[in-house]
Amino acid sequence: GQNIDQPTEMTATEGAIVQINCTYQTSGFNGLFWYQQHAGEAPTFLSYNVLDGLEEKGRFSSFLSRSKGYSYLLLKELQMKDSASYLCAVRVLTGGGNKLTFGTGTQLKVEL
Amino acid sequence: DSGVTQTPKHLITATGQRVTLRCSPRSGDLSVYWYQQSLDQGLQFLIQYYNGEERAKGNILERFSAQQFPDLHSELNLSSLELGDSALYFCASSSLLASSYNEQFFGPGTRLTVL
Repeated sequence: GQNIDQPTEMTATEGAIVQINCTYQTSGFNGLFWYQQHAGEAPTFLSYNVLDGLEEKGRFSSFLSRSKGYSYLLLKELQMKDSASYLCAVRVLTGGGNKLTFGTGTQLKVEL
Repeated sequence: DSGVTQTPKHLITATGQRVTLRCSPRSGDLSVYWYQQSLDQGLQFLIQYYNGEERAKGNILERFSAQQFPDLHSELNLSSLELGDSALYFCASSSLLASSYNEQFFGPGTRLTVL
């Protein structure tokens, strides 16, 4: 099975940088995704890593270390609208398909 | 707007009843995924269909079933409903079965309340 851990809550200041960590244990690893979800809304895709290293996409970056089962999402120049839940998800290939297993999410609160 | 549509947006029903949730994937997407999100469980994968065939299964209860039709829309059927089935049900779609970059696009969800 899969086990994904991320902090439950984090608080940061507008304009600052925040790093959200995610550790996972899985077999059949085929990529790690980060999604953003505002309360009551659909998750929206932020980033994808399948190889070790850093992927940068505007104010968001994501890092992966497959040997350590570790990823982080880095958010720069925080804005109030970044207050949301951030979901780490691991993709596993299963026979003829694939599935995403999500962590329980990190609720980020951005304050003035 | 992800391009994935789900109906209805809200559904209120009673225990023991049966409901059907509907999903239309993005134009051109062949894969459809169903997820359940409850407050205490987070986002849980239920099942995946690709071009009409079931391809992956998660922790889907036997009371739940799904199918994908020739026009690629999908339906999730929930029967003998219990209070614990109250949750947000999301549908997601992706273009390929499994590739190196294959993000899933989520629909707006159906909020099911079982009274």
